[in-house]
Amino acid sequence: KNQVEQSPQSLIILEGKNCTLQCNYTVSPFSNLRWYKQDTGRGPVSLTIMTFSENTKSNGRYTATLDADTKQSSLHITASQLSDSASYICVVSAPGGSYIPTFGRGTSLIVHP
Amino acid sequence: GAVVSQHPSWVICKSGTSVKIECRSLDFQATTMFWYRQFPKQSLMLMATSNEGSKATYEQGVEKDKFLINHASLTLSTLTVTSAHPEDSSFYICSVQHGGRRNTEAFFGQGTRLTVV
Repeated sequence: KNQVEQSPQSLIILEGKNCTLQCNYTVSPFSNLRWYKQDTGRGPVSLTIMTFSENTKSNGRYTATLDADTKQSSLHITASQLSDSASYICVVSAPGGSYIPTFGRGTSLIVHP
Repeated sequence: GAVVSQHPSWVICKSGTSVKIECRSLDFQATTMFWYRQFPKQSLMLMATSNEGSKATYEQGVEKDKFLINHASLTLSTLTVTSAHPEDSSFYICSVQHGGRRNTEAFFGQGTRLTVV
């Protein structure tokens, strides 16, 4: 069964600090892995997308890494801001025309001033 | 990326009534759209795959007669929650896929908060 596990479930940090979120998956074969940011009451917004051959990708203060051998990914947030408070969801997809992704349960990040 | 518009963003309805939620792909034609439901502090759960011009494909455990999906055009899919009950209260989100086989990305609508009283 394809699964995506995220940790920690929730995280509280002070503004300006860095943090790293983890994602482990069992989806196989693998097509791509994406990180989304979901603000409360809003739809998810894409942060990064990585294919099998990519092991790091940045989007501003967000940097995602991927180790396809160990099936692990991380999302590193640098110099956190209050607006970073949100749920961060890891999504892994298998190749194929139907393309139904597997969602992690998300990490809830709270940034305090 | 693709722009997906969902309407309404929130709705309150009485138990027993029906509610229609619209999902529009504004900048490209989507033969397939996906409908998700999200309960508080839970991940998105796929309800059904909406196929333009044909019947939707429902996930196990999702009642197709309760959650009616219509995908009459390449830019519009609708989800109708029929005879709504308080347990149907949830956050409903649609998405469209865009991109090549290896870098297909899902773009989400802003979601609809349904509260059944």
